[in-house]
Amino acid sequence: GESVGLHLPTLSVQEGDNSIINCAYSNSASDYFIWYKQESGKGPQFIIDIRSNMDKRQGQRVTVLLNKTVKHLSLQIAATQPGDSAVYFCAETNQAGTALIFGKGTTLSVSS
Amino acid sequence: GAVVSQHPSWVICKSGTSVKIECRSLDFQATTMFWYRQFPKQSLMLMATSNEGSKATYEQGVEKDKFLINHASLTLSTLTVTSAHPEDSSFYICSARPSGRAGETQYFGPGTRLLVL
Repeated sequence: GESVGLHLPTLSVQEGDNSIINCAYSNSASDYFIWYKQESGKGPQFIIDIRSNMDKRQGQRVTVLLNKTVKHLSLQIAATQPGDSAVYFCAETNQAGTALIFGKGTTLSVSS
Repeated sequence: GAVVSQHPSWVICKSGTSVKIECRSLDFQATTMFWYRQFPKQSLMLMATSNEGSKATYEQGVEKDKFLINHASLTLSTLTVTSAHPEDSSFYICSARPSGRAGETQYFGPGTRLLVL
């Protein structure tokens, strides 16, 4: 079936460290992946996306890596800040390509 | 750009009443909008896909007669929870995908917290 999971439910880092959040997906036919950030009581906020024809994509302080061989997606956050504390979800397109399927989420806690 | 709003942001209602939640794309048109439900400390679960001018597509296990969706314009979709019960209490989030850009990202609203007493 379609499912997207995350390796770790929580991640705690010190301010200034680099953070890596991982995600494993199951649908080998997915061609579009997105990382979202969700702060408490708010809707998800788009961070970065990547298509299956790419292995890496960089944004401002964030990098997404895609390994299609092992169906693994990761989000790297450089110089993590307290404002980065939130729940991070990876999402992939469903088999029909019409909707997004969300993973379980990783809670990132950044301490000063 | 790409702002999505929801109204109300939170609502408390009595069991048996109906509640309507609005989702609007403020600065873009959205042929397709999506409705999600999120329980505490859980992920977002897709409930239905709302297409402008046609019937919504519901995910397996979601009662279409209980969760009525109307997408009457390119900027507005509504979700009506009919005969709400305490188990319907949840965080309801909509998202919108800009028209003409199939496969592009969805932009999410801030969510509506529903509490049914």
